[in-house]
Amino acid sequence: KNQVEQSPQSLIILEGKNCTLQCNYTVSPFSNLRWYKQDTGRGPVSLTIMTFSENTKSNGRYTATLDADTKQSSLHITASQLSDSASYICVVTFLTSGTYKYIFGTGTRLKVLA
Amino acid sequence: EAQVTQNPRYLITVTGKKLTVTCSQNMNHEYMSWYRQDPGLGLRQIYYSMNVEVTDKGDVPEGYKVSRKEKRNFPLILESPSPNQTSLYFCASSFRLRDGNQPQHFGDGTRLSIL
Repeated sequence: KNQVEQSPQSLIILEGKNCTLQCNYTVSPFSNLRWYKQDTGRGPVSLTIMTFSENTKSNGRYTATLDADTKQSSLHITASQLSDSASYICVVTFLTSGTYKYIFGTGTRLKVLA
Repeated sequence: EAQVTQNPRYLITVTGKKLTVTCSQNMNHEYMSWYRQDPGLGLRQIYYSMNVEVTDKGDVPEGYKVSRKEKRNFPLILESPSPNQTSLYFCASSFRLRDGNQPQHFGDGTRLSIL
């Protein structure tokens, strides 16, 4: 069964600290993996996308990694800021019957404290 | 400003009273989709549309209808809402899924409560 699991469910850190969020998937055939940030009361916004051949991709203080062999991805946030408080959602795209479909993880809720 | 606009943002209604949630995008995107987001579950796709007059069921289509008469609009219709359709709904759009690498742009959500 195609699944995307994220951990931890929630996380609290102090401003300025680093953190890493995890995403494990059992989706096949894999097309790409994308991380979204969802602020409270808003829709998700894309942070990064990674295809099969990419190991690391950065977007400012956000760095995503992908290990296609173990089917794991991580999102590392460096020097966290209060504005990083949000839910982070991992989404895997796969191809089925000629159509691309998405499997969404349940997200990690991050709270950054001053 | 490029955006996906949903209306209403909040709605409380009663079982059986037909309702429509509108979605409009100004980015000339071919692909549009509706999702629902429930606590403890990831976003689940209700319906999607690859282009005008082309719609297809997602993972949880029961109790919903959609139409795509124009490229920019993709309304979600609940003909006879029931309490299990109480949820947070998101509309999203993107350029055509040639390679699956196009990011989806989401609206800010519609919170529906069916009593």
